[in-house]
Amino acid sequence: AQKVTQAQTEISVVEKEDVTLDCVYETRDTTYYLFWYKQPPSGELVFLIRRNSFDEQNEISGRYSWNFQKSTSSFNFTITASQVVDSAVYFCALSISNFGNEKLTFGTGTRLTIIP
Amino acid sequence: DSGVTQTPKHLITATGQRVTLRCSPRSGDLSVYWYQQSLDQGLQFLIQYYNGEERAKGNILERFSAQQFPDLHSELNLSSLELGDSALYFCASSRRTQSSYNEQFFGPGTRLTVL
Repeated sequence: AQKVTQAQTEISVVEKEDVTLDCVYETRDTTYYLFWYKQPPSGELVFLIRRNSFDEQNEISGRYSWNFQKSTSSFNFTITASQVVDSAVYFCALSISNFGNEKLTFGTGTRLTIIP
Repeated sequence: DSGVTQTPKHLITATGQRVTLRCSPRSGDLSVYWYQQSLDQGLQFLIQYYNGEERAKGNILERFSAQQFPDLHSELNLSSLELGDSALYFCASSRRTQSSYNEQFFGPGTRLTVL
């Protein structure tokens, strides 16, 4: 069975500070995919990134960066120079590739509040 | 806009009632997934359909059922509703391709309130 743990329930930072959201996953499969989704107050789920288990390169997209470490089963998400628009609930998720059935197992989410 | 549509956006009903949530996948997508986001259970997978057939089941209650029609839209039926069924229900769709992974695109969700 797969499991995703987001130990940080809520985080508050002052605008322009950097913040890291932690994600730890568990799976026995060697091929898997990791995701981050953003859920703003409006409620929709916004896809941010997908990373497969064979690619441990860190990724940067603007103010967002992701650190994938298989050795610690972690896939952490960092926002640099945070902005008020970053306030949302962020979900980490895991999927096992089953060629047609890629159900997502989500963590419990981290509520991020950026204080102006 | 993901291209996945869900109706209705909001639904308020009473305990014991039955409701139907509708999902239209992106054009060309054959798979539809249903997820439930509740305060108690978080975001969890309910069921998947692929080209009209049930493909995988998650933590879906027996009071819930789903189907996918020939035009590929899907409906999630919730019956004998209880207060605990109040949640945000998401539909996601994906396209079967030759690649090893099929991305899921989420609809805006249907917020169900059971009074």
